[in-house]
Amino acid sequence: EVQLVESGGGLVQPGGSLRLSCAASGFTFSDHYMDWVRQAPGKGLEWVGRTRNKANSYTTEYAASVKGRFTISRDNSKNSLYLQMDSLKSEDTAIYYCARYISGHQGCDYWGQGTLVTVSS
Amino acid sequence: DIQLTQSPSFLSASVGDRVTITCRASQGISSYLVWYQQKPGKAPKLLIYGASTLQSGVPSRVSGSGSGTEFTLTISSLQPEDFATYYCQQLNSFPLTFGGGTKVEIK
Repeated sequence: EVQLVESGGGLVQPGGSLRLSCAASGFTFSDHYMDWVRQAPGKGLEWVGRTRNKANSYTTEYAASVKGRFTISRDNSKNSLYLQMDSLKSEDTAIYYCARYISGHQGCDYWGQGTLVTVSS
Repeated sequence: DIQLTQSPSFLSASVGDRVTITCRASQGISSYLVWYQQKPGKAPKLLIYGASTLQSGVPSRVSGSGSGTEFTLTISSLQPEDFATYYCQQLNSFPLTFGGGTKVEIK
């Protein structure tokens, strides 16, 4: 059974940093693209970024709103995905989801339960 | 960036109704569009990919159509479990973008 479990959310001050983790199981992690998607309280979905699979050298893409501040990485030996968030702003407050993306434009078929990040002084 | 405009943003319907949600792209995206359903407090669930291909396990009352700039999600006979918020997302080019969502509520 495919499972994605996020952790690492919490309260952080503006300008601070936080690292989210996503533990994956039930599939060959290194074979898959992985996305981060966030949702501000009461708002819609926003794509944050992607890491591609081993065949595509684990390259990354980012939304303009987070580029240069957020870094996506993965540890395939631990079946884990990470989102390093630096220089956090109040507008980064959201639930952050990791999701498995199926290459070939097929969307994200499995999602974690999400972890809440609150940026506030 | 490609903008996706969903309409309506809110829809009130009854069990058994046929409902249609539209997603318009600011430029052509071929068939690189997916639809998700999200219920309160839950993660999104993939319904449709490639604009019209039903994801495994999704009931056949759900269908998608369209290509280029105009897409639709149709539920042929609304069931109680279908009351939720629906989002389209384009996968044509980065940055990937979502529509603003359509909330389907019980009349």
